[in-house]
Amino acid sequence: QSALTQPRSVSGSPGQSVTISCTGTSSDVGGYNFVSWYQQHPDKAPKVMIYDVSKRPSGVPDRFSGSKSGNTASLTISGLQAEDEADYYCCSYAGSSYVFGPGTKVTVL
Amino acid sequence: QVQLVQSGAEVKKPGASVKVSCKASGYTFTSYYMHWVRQAPGQGLEWMGIINPGGSTSYAQKFQGRVTVTRDTSTSTVYMELSSLRSEDTAIYYCARDSPSSNFFDYWGQGTLVTVAS
Repeated sequence: QSALTQPRSVSGSPGQSVTISCTGTSSDVGGYNFVSWYQQHPDKAPKVMIYDVSKRPSGVPDRFSGSKSGNTASLTISGLQAEDEADYYCCSYAGSSYVFGPGTKVTVL
Repeated sequence: QVQLVQSGAEVKKPGASVKVSCKASGYTFTSYYMHWVRQAPGQGLEWMGIINPGGSTSYAQKFQGRVTVTRDTSTSTVYMELSSLRSEDTAIYYCARDSPSSNFFDYWGQGTLVTVAS
């Protein structure tokens, strides 16, 4: 199972919006509505920010949103804040396994 | 509150095996699946495998034959054993609980660093 594709990095100023894409295939992202996104700060365990493409777990700010079109899912962070600076990983169910993207570093300028 | 507490760091020689534990608390252990995910230094996340409430397992093709996930319901602990270690297996290994409502990882352990070096 090949990894999903994500941009290596994105950046934005506080208050701006950034969008991270996550491209897979019809065997993973395109085949299931089970895309999740994880935030990871340095030396910390990942934390789920979005699941089932666009659902937010309790406690996750509503400035985080997710969507999907075809084989590409996206995570948008609106109203960027300093604490959003982290690595973000997309993950898709792939029918009896899971596949992650390589991660995107979000920098708050 | 849900907690997953993993065993401490390990240093192993190439060819050896390592067994990492993940002790769960704060929920009904026998009702949830558990995953193992690893992260090589400076790299991304990689799914390794899963154990279901009945004890059945499924592994990523990459690790088939080298990884074994087991559980001890009496201590609410899940174990991941990786054999024939090589330097590329140097990574942080995480256990992560499977959400009861969908296919994602809702709680993670703190991670266990496994270093493979001669």
